[in-house]
Formats: sequence, C-alpha cells, structure tokens
Amino acid sequence: AQKVTQAQTEISVVEKEDVTLDCVYETRDTTYYLFWYKQPPSGELVFLIRRNSFDEQNEISGRYSWNFQKSTSSFNFTITASQVVDSAVYFCALFERNFNKFYFGSGTKLNVKP
Amino acid sequence: EAQVTQNPRYLITVTGKKLTVTCSQNMNHEYMSWYRQDPGLGLRQIYYSMNVEVTDKGDVPEGYKVSRKEKRNFPLILESPSPNQTSLYFCASSLEWERRDTQYFGPGTRLTVL
Repeated sequence: AQKVTQAQTEISVVEKEDVTLDCVYETRDTTYYLFWYKQPPSGELVFLIRRNSFDEQNEISGRYSWNFQKSTSSFNFTITASQVVDSAVYFCALFERNFNKFYFGSGTKLNVKP
Repeated sequence: EAQVTQNPRYLITVTGKKLTVTCSQNMNHEYMSWYRQDPGLGLRQIYYSMNVEVTDKGDVPEGYKVSRKEKRNFPLILESPSPNQTSLYFCASSLEWERRDTQYFGPGTRLTVL
C-alpha cells in the first residue's frame, strides 16, 4: 500500500489562480514528520516545509499555505495567486521516526500558464 | 557554502560495467542516504547511514552497495549495473541522528544504463 498518496498526477492552472495539491499519508508510527518539496525543471529538490505529527497548526508562508489534518491523514498544500515560476513537480513526503523510513509520494506536476 | 555534492551529474554506461557515484557533504552531517527517482514512483530510499561504518538498507537496496568510511563521503556503488537501474539518483544528508528527518539534497545524478 502506498504510504504517501498524491492522487493528482498533473494540474494545469492559469496564472493568478489558486491551486491546492493534495497529500494523503498512512502510518502507524506515533511520531512522524511530513514534508513538501519542490522540484523545478532544473531537477534539484527544494525544501518547502516540515511538520511534525504533534503540530497540527496550519502554516502560511507568503503565497504558500499548508493544511495538516490528522483526522483525515492529509497534508495539503495551497498556492495562492499562482505564478509561472511555481511550475514544477511537488512531492509530499513522510518520515516515520521510530522506523527510520522515508516515503515520498509520486509527485504532482503543476503547470502554471501565463 | 554548505552543500551536498554528487559526481558525476550525468553518466551513460553499459550493462555490467561497475560504477561509483560519489556523494560528499561539508556540513559534518552524521546521517546520509541515497534515493532513486523514477517517473510515477517518486523518490525511493536505497540505503542510509547513521554514521561512519554504520549503514542500513532502505526500500530498494537490490543491486546497490554503499560504504561510509569517512563522515563526509557516502558513495553509491553499482557492481553490475542493469538497464532497470537507469534513474535519477539523489544523495541527502542530515545534521545528526536526532534531526535525521531534515534532509539536504544533492543536485542529482542522472544515470543511463544501456
């Protein structure tokens, strides 16, 4: 079974639209961390956010916001007023601390058109 | 500048020809790991190392070897590469075992096995 599911393979939006990238995870660990990474066309992985399992506060950073809901095992990522530079593949990831295992979702490719 | 470096960045080789992809970090990090990225599968962990001379298998270790003789280096060895090992490989490091969830990624190595 997939530990991290990103059901949206590819999303296309027009610049200035808001877009939400979904992430659903599965774990039995009591202590875990969730992440989002951005992979632009150049290929490197850019860290965006880290959340631990004890902190369900939503977070906002500029145009980016994250919604963590343990009840639904989801960690969704919203980009407000998208820009062309947001075009990239976005990965959601899970780290199970007691099992020392990292799991990445399959990624969502975001295309932002001018 | 704090960074994780990988060499080579691009490599085309033939089946069965042993190769090594080097990974080096200059941040005195204890924890290092290797991932491969394949379309539709996201990143999958190959091996990780908690410290010098301590390594363990990730999710997809078959066909790979690693060593950790020095803290800064964590080479990935393919003794007899096969076409199914064609992939994009990332090395990552984390400051210490207790903070192993926060990873710094290298730029990636794109390997093609013919």
